[in-house]
Amino acid sequence: EDQVTQSPEALRLQEGESSSLNCSYTVSGLRGLFWYRQDPGKGPEFLFTLYSAGEEKEKERLKATLTKKESFLHITAPKPEDSATYLCAVQARFSGGYNKLIFGAGTRLAVHP
Amino acid sequence: NAGVTQTPKFQVLKTGQSMTLQCAQDMNHNSMYWYRQDPGMGLRLIYYSASEGTTDKGEVPNGYNVSRLNKREFSLRLESAAPSQTSVYFCASSEQGPKQAFFGQGTRLTVV
Repeated sequence: EDQVTQSPEALRLQEGESSSLNCSYTVSGLRGLFWYRQDPGKGPEFLFTLYSAGEEKEKERLKATLTKKESFLHITAPKPEDSATYLCAVQARFSGGYNKLIFGAGTRLAVHP
Repeated sequence: NAGVTQTPKFQVLKTGQSMTLQCAQDMNHNSMYWYRQDPGMGLRLIYYSASEGTTDKGEVPNGYNVSRLNKREFSLRLESAAPSQTSVYFCASSEQGPKQAFFGQGTRLTVV
């Protein structure tokens, strides 16, 4: 069964304290892996797409990497405004030939001054 | 640029009542999705539409129906609401293939 698991469930950091969020997946026919940021009361906001093992993407203090079994979202010197829930999703082949997007449960990140 | 627009934003229903959640996108996307989000469970796919006139069940379709009215609009109907359907519902759209999905702001539904 296709599955996406994120860890940790929650992470508390001090401002400037770098860390990584993990997304492990077991899907057949991976088409792409996506990272989203979600603020309370809002819809997920797209951050990155990774398509193949070894690929990396960066945006400000965030860097996403991909292997054949997992992805990491590295946060360097975080600021309080980076506090949010970070969601990982994979797009895999769906029965009938369509693609579907499967989400993990997310990591709630809190960055304190 | 509106992106993905959902209505209503909040709704309270009594058990057994019916309602339709509306979703429209202005990005000319073929694919549209309905998800529900519950605490600790992430986003779960209810229904998916690859193009106008086609719909497919996702992980949790029971108790829901959908209509892809045209390329822009994808509605979700609860025929007889149950407390287990209390959740936040998100509509999303994307281009075909492994492309990023764009999400609406969500509908917070409470069934009492």
